[in-house]
Amino acid sequence: GEDVEQSLFLSVREGDSSVINCTYTDSSSTYLYWYKQEPGAGLQLLTYIFSNMDMKQDQRLTVLLNKKDKHLSLRIADTQTGDSAIYFCAESMDGNNRKLIWGLGTSLAVNP
Amino acid sequence: DTGVSQDPRHKITKRGQNVTFRCDPISEHNRLYWYRQTLGQGPEFLTYFQNEAQLEKSRLLSDRFSAERPKGSFSTLEIQRTEQGDSAMYLCASSMGQGSGTDTQYFGPGTRLTVL
Repeated sequence: GEDVEQSLFLSVREGDSSVINCTYTDSSSTYLYWYKQEPGAGLQLLTYIFSNMDMKQDQRLTVLLNKKDKHLSLRIADTQTGDSAIYFCAESMDGNNRKLIWGLGTSLAVNP
Repeated sequence: DTGVSQDPRHKITKRGQNVTFRCDPISEHNRLYWYRQTLGQGPEFLTYFQNEAQLEKSRLLSDRFSAERPKGSFSTLEIQRTEQGDSAMYLCASSMGQGSGTDTQYFGPGTRLTVL
């Protein structure tokens, strides 16, 4: 079945690293995405990873993919207060990425 | 601003009324998607267009919902005889529509619908 799961809340101190986890069920997923949603704003694509990759790094963001366990994580280094938002994990359901299946989102609170 | 735009940003209506939302995608994007997001949930796929053709519709899209993209550019989503359960954020996204690759979806700010 189609299901993407995330922990709902994460609280970190400013300057620490944040790790947001996601599990998915469909082994045929081709791309996995991380989006950020701030209050009153649209969904912003942060990064994505192709299913044949293990890791992708983009500035302060590191994505790790364990395809065997269907586990995806997003690590944010040196977390800032501006990183406070809801982070959504999404998987594509076909090779053309026409349909994304989303998790419920992880609300990240960064404390000064 | 060359991003995805949606209008209106907020809509309050009474139960039983019809509402229509508009989405203007990024120019030259061939694909356009509609999602619905309720509080505390992730977006739920509703439908998508490849140019002017509506290629997929979710089971969530009851017969009260209709979407069009007549010229392959902007799209409208109409909800007839609104119900309180239709209250949600309606999100539009667009993508290049590449045959392969990530074909990243870019989202608009959404239209928040409140049905009283």
